[in-house]
Amino acid sequence: KAGVTQTPRYLIKTRGQQVTLSCSPISGHRSVSWYQQTPGQGLQFLFEYFSETQRNKGNFPGRFSGRQFSNSRSEMNVSTLELGDSALYLCASSLTTGPGNTIYFGEGSWLTVV
Amino acid sequence: AQKITQTQPGMFVQEKEAVTLDCTYDTSDQSYGLFWYKQPSSGEMIFLIYQGSYDEQNATEGRYSLNFQKARKSANLVISASQLGDSAMYFCAMRERRNQGGKLIFGQGTELSVKP
Repeated sequence: KAGVTQTPRYLIKTRGQQVTLSCSPISGHRSVSWYQQTPGQGLQFLFEYFSETQRNKGNFPGRFSGRQFSNSRSEMNVSTLELGDSALYLCASSLTTGPGNTIYFGEGSWLTVV
Repeated sequence: AQKITQTQPGMFVQEKEAVTLDCTYDTSDQSYGLFWYKQPSSGEMIFLIYQGSYDEQNATEGRYSLNFQKARKSANLVISASQLGDSAMYFCAMRERRNQGGKLIFGQGTELSVKP
């Protein structure tokens, strides 16, 4: 069974540009969430999607957005990139929502903003 | 307020010995789940073990076990017979029912180094 797949794995962008990251959840999983990991702030929740609807949103500016498609695949977009957006972006999926559902992560997308 | 606290930034353990990684949590929710993840330097977050708040027995998965003490709000990870490949960052995380289940709250992590 394939795990959570994230693309691209590594990317370098310039300040002011925008970036789109993609995530394919484990087959059958309908909940997808995104996290940002930085050395200073640790792991922070960005947002969660379930059945194409955003269910939860973290405390990030509006430059960070996401969406989920009918096949549960998800994308997140960061516009007007800032140096501080350099981070590891992790996508996670679970069968459904609820505290008892195990959440599986992908390998992450390493974003460097220069 | 910090919801997940991992008080050990770094730990060393000798190969083949057991090690305990500490995690305490804070929640007023009655229904929640506790998770441990391993993150090697490659960045992937690997699921290790899960404990539900209503589970009466401690969870075990191979060499991993979770020492769940609900009254103390602690969920320590025990790794038995450490291996060199266990060297990584370890994160404790919690998922509360109040967030409709989606959001994981992470601790700051513990960096484990296994010595040969």
